[in-house]
Amino acid sequence: DGGITQSPKYLFRKEGQNVTLSCEQNLNHDAMYWYRQDPGQGLRLIYYSQIVNDFQKGDIAEGYSVSREKKESFPLTVTSAQKNPTAFYLCASSAAGTGSRGEQYFGPGTRLTVT
Amino acid sequence: GIQVEQSPPDLILQEGANSTLRCNFSDSVNNLQWFHQNPWGQLINLFYIPSGTKQNGRLSATTVATERYSLLYISSSQTTDSGVYFCAVLYNFNKFYFGSGTKLNVKP
Repeated sequence: DGGITQSPKYLFRKEGQNVTLSCEQNLNHDAMYWYRQDPGQGLRLIYYSQIVNDFQKGDIAEGYSVSREKKESFPLTVTSAQKNPTAFYLCASSAAGTGSRGEQYFGPGTRLTVT
Repeated sequence: GIQVEQSPPDLILQEGANSTLRCNFSDSVNNLQWFHQNPWGQLINLFYIPSGTKQNGRLSATTVATERYSLLYISSSQTTDSGVYFCAVLYNFNKFYFGSGTKLNVKP
């Protein structure tokens, strides 16, 4: 089955530690996205990538980093510089590349708790 | 960027009732999607509808791109329809912007 997988589902970390969230897709999509969702809120874009080895900051990139070494994978690192890292993190992909209008699909999400 | 506003923010329905959710956006967009977020947080694609009308069972959606709004209709609502409904727009062909959602509670 084609889809997007995120792991782990739940993640607990101590303050001051970096943590990496995994996102893999087998939809052959060019574009991938990371969003953050806080309780009762909408989704905010952290980073996005439209092609391998290239990515752009979204609206709330401070304290996060990403890489896009393979088309299928777009891991997100939450660094110790992120002031409020506890949140629900969602990864998405779409067939949209530059100039395209593809439909976006989401993974199941990772709930990160930092204490 | 672009502003995406959804209304109403909260909606309580009795099972069997119909409802209309609205999404307004402040500029021209390249596409528009409606999602349902279930209680476990999964975002489920409902409609990809940059313009026109689509129907899928009890749900239908209409986007009037020239007037910058989209409507999601839910007919004969069921308790399983509960959750949060988001609209998202693709702007300048690269970034998606989400509304803040409509939280729907369907009571038996």
